[in-house]
Amino acid sequence: EPEVTQTPSHQVTQMGQEVILRCVPISNHLYFYWYRQILGQKVEFLVSFYNNEISEKSEIFDDQFSVERPDGSNFTLKIRSTKLEDSAMYFCATTDRRTGELFFGEGSRLTVL
Amino acid sequence: QKEVEQDPGPLSVPEGAIVSLNCTYSNSAFQYFMWYRQYSRNGPELLMYTYSSGNKEDGRFTAQVDKSSKYISLFIRDSQPSDSATYLCAPGGGNFNKFYFGSGTKLNVKP
Repeated sequence: EPEVTQTPSHQVTQMGQEVILRCVPISNHLYFYWYRQILGQKVEFLVSFYNNEISEKSEIFDDQFSVERPDGSNFTLKIRSTKLEDSAMYFCATTDRRTGELFFGEGSRLTVL
Repeated sequence: QKEVEQDPGPLSVPEGAIVSLNCTYSNSAFQYFMWYRQYSRNGPELLMYTYSSGNKEDGRFTAQVDKSSKYISLFIRDSQPSDSATYLCAPGGGNFNKFYFGSGTKLNVKP
């Protein structure tokens, strides 16, 4: 069964450093999303991406964050100048417009020290 | 008003019980309704998907959508200890810009 692949599974970084989280969407899916989940809290929407541009973003997704699809396969989330409160699980999700089913990757756990 | 409301639980039931999980939502434009199961520290796993109103059954799981009352349900029959997880409802609109998540209901099925 096709799946969404995320790397790294876990990243530890120092406060103020930049991190890049990577996602390989399911082949032929065109809509991509990043969500995050702080430990013990709900899944929060960050951003959606379609046709090489942001479709919608939440208030969490400020100038510290950016997304791109640099090579037609990977979909990345960059977090500049990380803060302690950025520590969370970051989930990539993709969907096929024909069905609307949204599939998630296993997540990248970010720990900011 | 929150887009999606879901009782966080925890909900504790004996093995074999029928479980009813529910969400309400506020946006009448939602057309896609999904239920996810999430085990601790794992990604949400798509369990059930429904388009518009109606019922959908898959094995022990039944999803119901009532758009008139903006109410969505997931029923689990013959619940098993392996069903112990957090269940998330996630409705979304037709433009695919965003899917909204409930806070999740933590279910514990006791052997």
